[in-house]
Amino acid sequence: DGGITQSPKYLFRKEGQNVTLSCEQNLNHDAMYWYRQDPGQGLRLIYYSQIVNDFQKGDIAEGYSVSREKKESFPLTVTSAQKNPTAFYLCATGVDSRYQETQYFGPGTRLLVL
Amino acid sequence: AQKVTQAQTEISVVEKEDVTLDCVYETRDTTYYLFWYKQPPSGELVFLIRRNSFDEQNEISGRYSWNFQKSTSSFNFTITASQVVDSAVYFCALSDMNSGYSTLTFGKGTMLLVSP
Repeated sequence: DGGITQSPKYLFRKEGQNVTLSCEQNLNHDAMYWYRQDPGQGLRLIYYSQIVNDFQKGDIAEGYSVSREKKESFPLTVTSAQKNPTAFYLCATGVDSRYQETQYFGPGTRLLVL
Repeated sequence: AQKVTQAQTEISVVEKEDVTLDCVYETRDTTYYLFWYKQPPSGELVFLIRRNSFDEQNEISGRYSWNFQKSTSSFNFTITASQVVDSAVYFCALSDMNSGYSTLTFGKGTMLLVSP
């Protein structure tokens, strides 16, 4: 199956804990993105990446970190510095972020703080 | 700064009614793209349409149609003969170029409830 997979579907975080959300794609897209969605809100951009080993901060990068060691993978770590991490996290891919191409989204991960 | 406004927070209709979702945007760019996405209760965003700023022709796809008016900076979405399966949150988005990379600015979404 071609597409974007995100795991886990639900994730629980304890206070002071770092957690990592997985995003994998087999669409051969260069660009990958992470968004955060809060209830009743639109999507806000956390980080994005056009190529391996390169990524840029989005509008709300504080308290988050990413890596892009492989083209297919763009994991997001929610660190203990993120004081309000409860949200729905969506990963997206695009053919090439140098052009204004369509972004395609994964199924998302819901992060809850215990 | 880019901005997308979806003034309708929630709309409720009865099946078979027509419904229009409004989207107003702000940008200083002369070349830009506008998008609509659907988010059903499952959560995944589904791409519906991408339209560039130079193409003001209306588009129709089955029961869906889009009206792009550059003069009023609007990109409205109409569902004809709505169905229960159309119930979802709909997002309008605007592309932006940041240091050579394209990102999207989203509106806050409009929740559409279609009852039988």
